[in-house]
Amino acid sequence: NAGVTQTPKFQVLKTGQSMTLQCAQDMNHNSMYWYRQDPGMGLRLIYYSASEGTTDKGEVPNGYNVSRLNKREFSLRLESAAPSQTSVYFCASSLGGVGETQYFGPGTRLLVL
Amino acid sequence: LAKITQPISMDSYEGQEVNITCSHNNIATNDYITWYQQFPSQGPRFIIQGYKTKVTNEVASLFIPADRKSSTLSLPRVSLSDTAVYYCLVGGGYNTDKLIFGTGTRLQVFP
Repeated sequence: NAGVTQTPKFQVLKTGQSMTLQCAQDMNHNSMYWYRQDPGMGLRLIYYSASEGTTDKGEVPNGYNVSRLNKREFSLRLESAAPSQTSVYFCASSLGGVGETQYFGPGTRLLVL
Repeated sequence: LAKITQPISMDSYEGQEVNITCSHNNIATNDYITWYQQFPSQGPRFIIQGYKTKVTNEVASLFIPADRKSSTLSLPRVSLSDTAVYYCLVGGGYNTDKLIFGTGTRLQVFP
């Protein structure tokens, strides 16, 4: 039982490049989340998915797209990376809806030059 | 968006009780309060969750006054391994843009 896994662990991009961050959970959870955490800051919600095929915006959705491929997987895409998107990205899941206990992945560290 | 504030840092010694407060003046009726612990280079880990009054589990207690505009995480008899950053999370209503993490409290435990 791996919990929440994220790939890659670390990535360097140039401004304007695109990439997709992958997240998968094996706990049969319904809800999945994407957060970003800037140095010395708290986490900010980017997008949320209550179930396969549904997504909702969080506090900071601009510059990102998401896809809930199936119940297990929730991907985050940066179409045209900007230096302001340099951050650590965390994926999380919960059995029920927003507000229920979330289980976090190990994070993806992204550097945009 | 409402800001959730916490003390930036706290120091304690092993064996002491530590109380960390979180201020959430604009909490909504259907919002829950959840506390997470985060170690360097790791994702946050759930500690405790509550809606009102007092909740206790094997590692912590959570105190929420009647007006719910603040909450206090209580860690009994801390050890060196409790050195971490602690975040409160307020949300659970119908608007996901209202799911807000607090600013975080860095707890340092000394021997």
